[in-house]
Formats: sequence, C-alpha cells, structure tokens
Amino acid sequence: EDQVTQSPEALRLQEGESSSLNCSYTVSGLRGLFWYRQDPGKGPEFLFTLYSAGEEKEKERLKATLTKKESFLHITAPKPEDSATYLCAVHPYNTDKLIFGTGTRLQVFP
Amino acid sequence: NAGVTQTPKFRILKIGQSMTLQCAQDMNHNYMYWYRQDPGMGLKLIYYSVGAGITDKGEVPNGYNVSRSTTEDFPLRLELAAPSQTSVYFCASSYGGPRVNSPLHFGNGTRLTVT
Repeated sequence: EDQVTQSPEALRLQEGESSSLNCSYTVSGLRGLFWYRQDPGKGPEFLFTLYSAGEEKEKERLKATLTKKESFLHITAPKPEDSATYLCAVHPYNTDKLIFGTGTRLQVFP
Repeated sequence: NAGVTQTPKFRILKIGQSMTLQCAQDMNHNYMYWYRQDPGMGLKLIYYSVGAGITDKGEVPNGYNVSRSTTEDFPLRLELAAPSQTSVYFCASSYGGPRVNSPLHFGNGTRLTVT
C-alpha cells in the first residue's frame, strides 16, 4: 500500500537553529514528490517538486532533497516567519491522485 | 488574479441539513479538486474534475456531490449533513493534470461544523 509518513509531528527551533524535516514514502513507483507550506487558517502553498533520487531544490532558507525512500526539507538559520506546517505529498505512478502526509508543525521562536 | 476563492469561510450545519460549498478560480485551470483536512490526517481527495462537464470520485466521495458546468466553478454539495463531515474543506486547481506533476493552487478553506 502506498504510504507517506512525516516526522517529527512538531518541531520547535530557536531562531538561527538549523534542522531538517523528514518525509518517508512507500510507493510502487514515484512520479513526483511535492512540498507545501500551510499557515494557520490558510490553504497549502506550493514550495517544491522533486522527481528523481539525488535531486535538490532551494528557495531562500529551504532546501529539499530526495532519495529513493525519503525526502528532507532542510531549514537553514530559520526565522520566526518560517513557522508553519510543512506538508509532503507523493504522486505514485499507478494512480492520478496525490497521497499527503500529516505534516510537520514547525515553530521558530526568537 | 484572486487565485482560488472559497465561500463561505465558516459554516455550522445541523444534522440532516444540506449546503453547497463554493469554489471559483480565475487562472483558467482545467483541473480542479476538493479535499478535506481532518486533525492528524493527511488531506483526503473527495472529488476532482479534469474539465468542464467531467468529474470523478476521489478517496472519500460518500455523502458529497459535485458539478462542473464552467471552467471557473466547482461547487461541492453536501446532502444530509452528518457529524463525520465536520472538517476543513479545501478546493484546489492546477494547470496541467497529475501526470505532468502540476502543482496545486489551494483556496483558504471552508471550516464546516455539523452538530
């Protein structure tokens, strides 16, 4: 069965303290992996798409990486405005539907 | 561009009542989706549409209906509301379909409580 697991569920960081969020997936074949950011009371906002193992993408303080079993979202020197829930979603080859993880709730405090 | 607009933002329904959640997009996207988000659960697909006049079921379609008469609008109908339908509902759209990995553009959700 296709599955996506995100860890940790919640993460508290001090401003400037770098860390990583994990997205582990089990699919028969991966068409693409997505990262989204969701602020409280808002809809998810697209960050990155990754297609194949070894691929990396960056945006400001965020860098997403992909292996054959997992993806990491690295946050370098985070700021309070990076506080949000980060969602991972995978698109398996055998379906046209995305499978979303339950998210990591990140809090960055000054 | 307003993007994806959902109305209402909040709604309380009594058990057995019906309502329509509205969704409109102004990006000329062919693909539109309805998801629900429950605490501790990933987003679950309710229905989706690949273009005007074409709709299909997602993972959790029971208790819901959709229609797509125009490219812009994709309303979600709840008939005979039940407490299990208490959730936050998100509408999304994309330019291309899943097979080309088009990112989803989400609205800001409708928070529905059924009591």
